[in-house]
Amino acid sequence: AQSVSQHNHHVILSEAASLELGCNYSYGGTVNLFWYVQYPGQHLQLLLKYFSGDPLVKGIKGFEAEFIKSKFSFNLRKPSVQWSDTAEYFCAVNPNTGGFKTIFGAGTRLFVKA
Amino acid sequence: SAVISQKPSRDICQRGTSLTIQCQVDSQVTMMFWYRQQPGQSLTLIATANQGSEATYESGFVIDKFPISRPNLTFSTLTVSNMSPEDSSIYLCSVETGPHEQFFGPGTRLTVL
Repeated sequence: AQSVSQHNHHVILSEAASLELGCNYSYGGTVNLFWYVQYPGQHLQLLLKYFSGDPLVKGIKGFEAEFIKSKFSFNLRKPSVQWSDTAEYFCAVNPNTGGFKTIFGAGTRLFVKA
Repeated sequence: SAVISQKPSRDICQRGTSLTIQCQVDSQVTMMFWYRQQPGQSLTLIATANQGSEATYESGFVIDKFPISRPNLTFSTLTVSNMSPEDSSIYLCSVETGPHEQFFGPGTRLTVL
């Protein structure tokens, strides 16, 4: 079955530290990839997406993610985190089969210490 | 982006009862989705609701347990029937705002005693 794995359930960083959140998926075909973020008390919202083209995609608030097809990975990065980045981050995969189902990872809770 | 509201935002229910969750969108959308997020777990798609047709349920979810209505292009309901404590979860509706992109509602936090 298709699945999405996020390696870290909880991450604690100090401000200005670099961030990398791992995401791996199991599906051999073409995929659409997403990172969603949920800030405390807010709705789940799209952070960035990859459909095709340049495997390094940039999203809002200085986040970027790199699609490595050979590793089935789509890791999220930010060079220098801020306290306001404290949130839960979800990796999601939509197998490009024409269907609507998007599969979500379990999420990573990031806490940034001021 | 759309504006989505869900009612109720939270509820505590007794086992054996049913709860209907409403999802209202401020614009007309074709596809609406219902998800469940159990404590410490990922979002799991329950069903896809297209206006004017029967909802499409994912494996492990059945219409008798989670009946869905989609009477128009801005509204949908999900009913959690004959509830048990295992149904305690956050229930989210979402709409498609771009190719495979989704915009989520605030969620309904359900606790079943």
